[in-house]
Amino acid sequence: DQQVKQNSPSLSVQEGRISILNCDYTNSMFDYFLWYKKYPAEGPTFLISISSIKDKNEDGRFTVFLNKSAKHLSLHIVPSQPGDSAVYFCAANEAQYTGTASKLTFGTGTRLQVTL
Amino acid sequence: DTAVSQTPKYLVTQMGNDKSIKCEQNLGHDTMYWYKQDSKKFLKIMFSYNNKELIINETVPNRFSPKSPDKAHLNLHINSLELGDSAVYFCASSLGQGASYEQYFGPGTRLTVT
Repeated sequence: DQQVKQNSPSLSVQEGRISILNCDYTNSMFDYFLWYKKYPAEGPTFLISISSIKDKNEDGRFTVFLNKSAKHLSLHIVPSQPGDSAVYFCAANEAQYTGTASKLTFGTGTRLQVTL
Repeated sequence: DTAVSQTPKYLVTQMGNDKSIKCEQNLGHDTMYWYKQDSKKFLKIMFSYNNKELIINETVPNRFSPKSPDKAHLNLHINSLELGDSAVYFCASSLGQGASYEQYFGPGTRLTVT
């Protein structure tokens, strides 16, 4: 049962434009959400996170939006740069674990390509 | 300096063998993890240790045994390797246990069982 879904395996965006990566989840017990970025032959690196008490979190060019009623979150990258080309993973943590442990459930990733 | 390192980077072995993957972090973190990324790209947590104590143990076969000799190391030993164990294994660490603590991942170990 895939509790975190990233339905777009790939996305191509022109440099300077906005990239929007989407993620849906089914487990209503998830209360903390994260985005990780992964380059080939490297491990994932943390990008940005959001708690379920918020609906938006911004960090520079990266903004994550959370719609709890729709069980949907999205990552916006503005403006997109060629160095942003990577695989982006959405991850979620259950409320029972959030304060005491990290048991992240990951999506399968979206490959973003930023073209010149 | 590499923050989270894993050895080896690649491991090719035959079914039935026993192998170990080592992980070391020089970040002074208290919590370490093992993840498995299978052929469908699912990244799933296997184990989590905090201060050398096991805190998360997912439904992983008994053939997999993590060992944490100290806070900076979390090794993964796999007995009687099977074809289905072929995957990329990632080690990670974080300052604390909660989800709000950023996890730092190693580069991964690609295990191929033939």
